[in-house]
Amino acid sequence: GQQLNQSPQSMFIQEGEDVSMNCTSSSIFNTWLWYKQDPGEGPVLLIALYKAGELTSNGRLTAQFGITRKDSFLNISASIPSDVGIYFCAGYLTSGTYKYIFGTGTRLKVLA
Amino acid sequence: EAQVTQNPRYLITVTGKKLTVTCSQNMNHEYMSWYRQDPGLGLRQIYYSMNVEVTDKGDVPEGYKVSRKEKRNFPLILESPSPNQTSLYFCASRRGFSTDTQYFGPGTRLTVL
Repeated sequence: GQQLNQSPQSMFIQEGEDVSMNCTSSSIFNTWLWYKQDPGEGPVLLIALYKAGELTSNGRLTAQFGITRKDSFLNISASIPSDVGIYFCAGYLTSGTYKYIFGTGTRLKVLA
Repeated sequence: EAQVTQNPRYLITVTGKKLTVTCSQNMNHEYMSWYRQDPGLGLRQIYYSMNVEVTDKGDVPEGYKVSRKEKRNFPLILESPSPNQTSLYFCASRRGFSTDTQYFGPGTRLTVL
């Protein structure tokens, strides 16, 4: 099955730093979702993007839907220890398969 | 509270012993699906259902069955589990089969010995 290219795979950052991660694909999507998964839990939806170029914020999180519709970015500002977890992107194919394709995840570790 | 629930959360079983993982959602969603999550492979779709009595294979359906007799429930059945089905399983639902946002259950960690 298809997967999205998500980078970086993992990152260690200092508390207070800003974080950026992205997802890219060769396919065009008309929806992007960003999730966070804590250890032992299911993914929790952070931000949903429905339109090319859209920039949406949720607290310290900001995500953008790329103009080409083949990529998306998630930024976390002023990271805190509870930001630790795995962040996933998901893109919805326009080909009518009715499913989301998921990135392989970015594991974020925040050093206090 | 709107939610997707799964049971059990943890299960250890032996090869060949049939098991069922239940999934239920209280949001009246039409679309439900099952994923497995393995290290380095991300989330892969096993089966999905667009409505009652309508199911279809995802990317990795081998060794699994599903049923959708009621809108709220979508159980995952392993008729004869094998060790390569040891994984973390997630049920998910969304309102329709368009681009609605998708919500996940808390996961079921399955170990097949």
